Amino acid sequence: DAGVTQSPTHLIKTRGQQVTLRCSPKSGHDTVSWYQQALGQGPQFIFQYYEEEERQRGNFPDRFSGHQFPNYSSELNVNALLLGDSALYLCASSPTVRGNEQFFGPGTRLTVL
Amino acid sequence: AQTVTQSQPEMSVQEAETVTLSCTYDTSESDYYLFWYKQPPSRQMILVIRQEAYKQQNATENRFSVNFQKAAKSFSLKISDSQLGDAAMYFCTRGGADGLTFGKGTHLIIQP
Repeated sequence: DAGVTQSPTHLIKTRGQQVTLRCSPKSGHDTVSWYQQALGQGPQFIFQYYEEEERQRGNFPDRFSGHQFPNYSSELNVNALLLGDSALYLCASSPTVRGNEQFFGPGTRLTVL
Repeated sequence: AQTVTQSQPEMSVQEAETVTLSCTYDTSESDYYLFWYKQPPSRQMILVIRQEAYKQQNATENRFSVNFQKAAKSFSLKISDSQLGDAAMYFCTRGGADGLTFGKGTHLIIQP
């Protein structure tokens, strides 16, 4: 049973560019959450998708957007990249029922130059 | 903002000894969950232990146990018989209506 997968593993972009990160949830999970983890910090919640809709959102600007597909996979898009967007981006999936643990992917390391 | 506070940036313990990681949290919800996640250098976040706030009994998973003090909003993790593979960043995490909120983490070092 494959766990949560993310692509790409690493990514280098320049300021002002746009980036798309991808995530496939664990089998049987229909809820996907995205987190930003700056170096030396705990992950910060970006947003959560369920039934192809954004259900919850953390304190992130509109430059951060997402999408969930009918097969439950998800994309995170970041526009107009800033140096401060450099971080590890984690995707986590969970069953619908609230309170269940979230299973995390290995993350995508984004570097903005 | 509802926060999770880990006051120990780094802890060190001898192999086979016991160590306790501290955590306090803030919440206005009555129904919430608490987790300890482990993040090794490989960076894959792994669940260590889970506690439902409505349960008074402290959760236990093999060598890992928690001391959950709901009134004090305290949720500490005890690791018994520490092993070299326990070396990692440990994040105290609160789950609620606003998703997961993580503390800043405690870096656990295991001395052989």
